Amino acid sequence: SQTIHQWPATLVQPVGSPLSLECTVEGTSNPNLYWYRQAAGRGLQLLFYSVGIGQISSEVPQNLSASRPQDRQFILSSKKLLLSDSGFYLCASPRRGNTGELFFGEGSRLTVL
Amino acid sequence: KQEVTQIPAALSVPEGENLVLNCSFTDSAIYNLQWFRQDPGKGLTSLLLIQSSQREQTSGRLNASLDKSSGRSTLYIAASQPGDSATYLCAVRQGAAGNKLTFGGGTRVLVKP
Repeated sequence: SQTIHQWPATLVQPVGSPLSLECTVEGTSNPNLYWYRQAAGRGLQLLFYSVGIGQISSEVPQNLSASRPQDRQFILSSKKLLLSDSGFYLCASPRRGNTGELFFGEGSRLTVL
Repeated sequence: KQEVTQIPAALSVPEGENLVLNCSFTDSAIYNLQWFRQDPGKGLTSLLLIQSSQREQTSGRLNASLDKSSGRSTLYIAASQPGDSATYLCAVRQGAAGNKLTFGGGTRVLVKP
């Protein structure tokens, strides 16, 4: 079956520290991959999407970057975290079979202090 | 630019009552619409996907309708149970290429025993 794994589930980091969140997908190949952020009091915001290895599109200017080193791996990074980077980060991918359905991982909660 | 609105933001009902959740969108040229459930601190679980050519979709006690011309979708949950307590999100997809979704702010539902 198709699954999305996100790691770590919870992270508390000081301002100015680096960040690396990992998303891996199983049960499919060459999927589109997406990073969304859900901040307190705000809706889900698309941050990055990738249609293949090394191909990254940024939806909003920000302190974060994304990379796709392997077909089923999507990484969200920052060199220096800001307080405003706190939030719940969700990785998503289309369901196999071209139904148009998007499904999500369990998320990574980041708190920047 | 597509905007998705969900009203009310929060809803509390006694167990057994039917739930009616509303979603409206400003651009009717959508590809599909998806309803999600989110439990506190968790990722999103896909509930129903309605293609733009469809009027409704059903799964168990859940029924979602779509009226593209008026820019509305409604999620009905019959005979609500305490386990239905969660936040419900709707999201629309604009085009066939890619799977970028625009989300509403969600409706937080509490079903009281």
